[in-house]
Amino acid sequence: RKEVEQDPGPFNVPEGATVAFNCTYSNSASQSFFWYRQDCRKEPKLLMSVYSSGNEDGRFTAQLNRASQYISLLIRDSKLSDSATYLCVASGAGKSTFGDGTTLTVKP
Amino acid sequence: NAGVTQTPKFQVLKTGQSMTLQCAQDMNHEYMSWYRQDPGMGLRLIHYSVGAGITDQGEVPNGYNVSRSTTEDFPLRLLSAAPSQTSVYFCASKGPPGYTFGSGTRLTVV
Repeated sequence: RKEVEQDPGPFNVPEGATVAFNCTYSNSASQSFFWYRQDCRKEPKLLMSVYSSGNEDGRFTAQLNRASQYISLLIRDSKLSDSATYLCVASGAGKSTFGDGTTLTVKP
Repeated sequence: NAGVTQTPKFQVLKTGQSMTLQCAQDMNHEYMSWYRQDPGMGLRLIHYSVGAGITDQGEVPNGYNVSRSTTEDFPLRLLSAAPSQTSVYFCASKGPPGYTFGSGTRLTVV
């Protein structure tokens, strides 16, 4: 079993849709969590950190459930430019583990 | 502020050749790491360093060496290239709030 697991998708949604991704982690020592975005053939870029109380950045909302060991990313009002692969990351004890990513395609 | 700079961007090697992938960061981050990403796959950690003079193995270290003589530089050496090392290689440094990645090196071993 992988330490960080994501549904690979692909998620195909129309513009304006709301879409949610989940990510589960198995290392209970993980302390900090992130979502990264990776465009095709490009490097991953930090999208947002995930805080225990949940946090929002414009159309993006991230949540953490420590009891169930999962994090989520909600994208509202999807744009064509949101098409990418979204990676979740769990960090702790000097180690970070990336999920394999969830691919999102937003269609006109 | 360049962030993380990787060179070269593309490289073709013959089986058995050796080479060094260069990585430099100008953010004064202590933590640096190398990942490889195969098509349709996630990032796998090769080696990492928590500071100058300190390196450690990641998930897939075989066939690769690293050194960290300065805070800025973290080169990755392929000792004897094999076709299984065909991949995209990303260098990253970590500081608040998270990782900054280089633009990647696309390596093909024939």
